[in-house]
Order: sequence, then structure tokens, then C-alpha cells
Amino acid sequence: AQTVTQSQPEMSVQEAETVTLSCTYDTSESDYYLFWYKQPPSRQMILVIRQEAYKQQNATENRFSVNFQKAAKSFSLKISDSQLGDAAMYFCAYREISGTYKYIFGTGTRLKVLA
Amino acid sequence: GAGVSQSPRYKVAKRGQDVALRCDPISGHVSLFWYQQALGQGPEFLTYFQNEAQLDKSGLPSDRFFAERPEGSVSTLKIQRTQQEDSAVYLCASSLMSATSYEQYFGPGTRLTVT
Repeated sequence: AQTVTQSQPEMSVQEAETVTLSCTYDTSESDYYLFWYKQPPSRQMILVIRQEAYKQQNATENRFSVNFQKAAKSFSLKISDSQLGDAAMYFCAYREISGTYKYIFGTGTRLKVLA
Repeated sequence: GAGVSQSPRYKVAKRGQDVALRCDPISGHVSLFWYQQALGQGPEFLTYFQNEAQLDKSGLPSDRFFAERPEGSVSTLKIQRTQQEDSAVYLCASSLMSATSYEQYFGPGTRLTVT
């Protein structure tokens, strides 16, 4: 069965600095999708960035980028120029290409942004 | 509507009561998912619908949990004879599931507290 591991329960970053959140996963599939979602206190999960496993190029979305290492099964999220509004829980998620399409989530990393 | 909506946002039930949680997906989204998120944890998959067909209910924790989506749009998650361990946030997500759009869009969740 696939698993997703986020080993950092909590991270802190100074405003305007850069922070990297870690995620590792386990799967025997060769094709799949990976996601980072942000969950602020309002509880609404918001998609931050997505990565298709068949693409070697790392995804970027403005200040957010990923370091996708397929062989190492690692999918870290880098947030540049951190802002106070980035403070939230961040979840890494895995989804198969076919089948149920359900997400498998990690346990999350709470990001604090210090002014 | 513009996003996934869920009602009620908060529900307090006495142990043994039945509850019904509603999800209105984004119009046109064929896929609908329910997740359970315990305090401090990542969401865990409960069940999946494609239109009105429930294709996967492997995550439902017991036969007290029942979900339906009779017309392929609104979905209801019903929990019978609630127990304290049912206390959690219940998230609904919908997805278009096209070749280019496969991410899930989440609602704000329903926080269920069983006393």
C-alpha cells in the first residue's frame, strides 16, 4: 500500500526567508501524481502545487516550487520570500494515475511565519 | 456554485444519535470524495463516487457509515449511532477528472463533535 510521510510536524521561517518542507512516499507504481495542499485555520484545503511523476521538470507556481526526486521518492516544497499569509498546515498527497483516484495524505507540517 | 460547499459547518451530537452531513460539489464535477480528518492528522479517505455510482467505499470505518449521491450531484454522508471516536472533521472534495484537470477541490468541512 502507498504511504506518505511528512517528518516535520512543525517548521518556522522568518518573513521574507525561504523554507523547505519535506515529504517522502512509498509506491510501486511508476506513474502517479503528487500534490501539496495548504490548510489554513479556516480548514479549506487549497491546492498549492502539483507534479506529474512522468515529468522530470520540477513544478513551480510563483513563490512555490518543488524538488521532485523520483528515485528517492522525495517531494519537497520550497517556499520563497515567505509571507505571513503562508502560515498554515501543509499536506503532501499522493494519487495513483488510475483506480479510485483517492488521495493519500501525510500527517502534515505546521508552518509558522515570524514577523 | 463557485466552490464545494458543506453543511452544517459544525455539528454536535450526543452519543447514539444519527447525523447527516451534506456536500454540494462544484457543478459539472463527476467525481466526489469524502475524507475524515482527526485532530492533528491528515485527511483519510472514506468513499468515492463517480456520478451516482459509489465505486469505492473501502475507507468507511464501520457499517454505521453510509454515503449516497442519488442524482450524481449532492452527496450525503450519514453516520448512525454516533460514537465518540467519530468526532472529526469530515471533508468533501470534487474533481472534474479530465485529462488535464485531475486535482480535487475541497469544501470547508463539517466538524462533528460527539459528546
